[in-house]
Amino acid sequence: KAGVTQTPRYLIKTRGQQVTLSCSPISGHRSVSWYQQTPGQGLQFLFEYFSETQRNKGNFPGRFSGRQFSNSRSEMNVSTLELGDSALYLCASSLSAGVTEAFFGQGTRLTVV
Amino acid sequence: QQQVKQSPQSLIVQKGGISIINCAYENTAFDYFPWYQQFPGKGPALLIAIRPDVSEKKEGRFTISFNKSAKQFSLHIMDSQPGDSATYFCAACRDNFNKFYFGSGTKLNVKP
Repeated sequence: KAGVTQTPRYLIKTRGQQVTLSCSPISGHRSVSWYQQTPGQGLQFLFEYFSETQRNKGNFPGRFSGRQFSNSRSEMNVSTLELGDSALYLCASSLSAGVTEAFFGQGTRLTVV
Repeated sequence: QQQVKQSPQSLIVQKGGISIINCAYENTAFDYFPWYQQFPGKGPALLIAIRPDVSEKKEGRFTISFNKSAKQFSLHIMDSQPGDSATYFCAACRDNFNKFYFGSGTKLNVKP
């Protein structure tokens, strides 16, 4: 059974640009959450999607957005990139909304220069 | 406000020893407490989790102890091995809310 797949694994972007990251959850899983991991702030919740709807949202500016498709795949977008957005972005897959067991992908390492 | 506090920040243990990592939480509405293991360049991997209706859960060499009245929980790694060297994160969330609050992480180094 394939795990959570995140693409791309690495990205280098320039300040002011925008970026889109992709996450394919475990087959049959319908809830996808996104987290930002940095050395200074640790792991912080961005948002969660279930059935193409955002269920929960963390304390990030509106430059961070996401969506989920009918096949449960999810994308997150960061617009007007800042140097501080450099981080490992992790996607977590859960069977359903309210099923708390979550499995993480390997992440996308975003570097903003 | 940090919802989950984790200690120590780093830990060095001899092979065969017991590694103990502690976490404390604030929100009494939390009712699911997982531990994750993360190796460099990898995403966190779910190790073991507990709910507040039990005080202890054991899976192989890994045990979670849970103290609801003190709002604390801990991970014990018995017979620690060099392959256990990784960063460990505790987390907490409310049931029906897939929104985890993570501790700051403990970097474990098991010496051969």
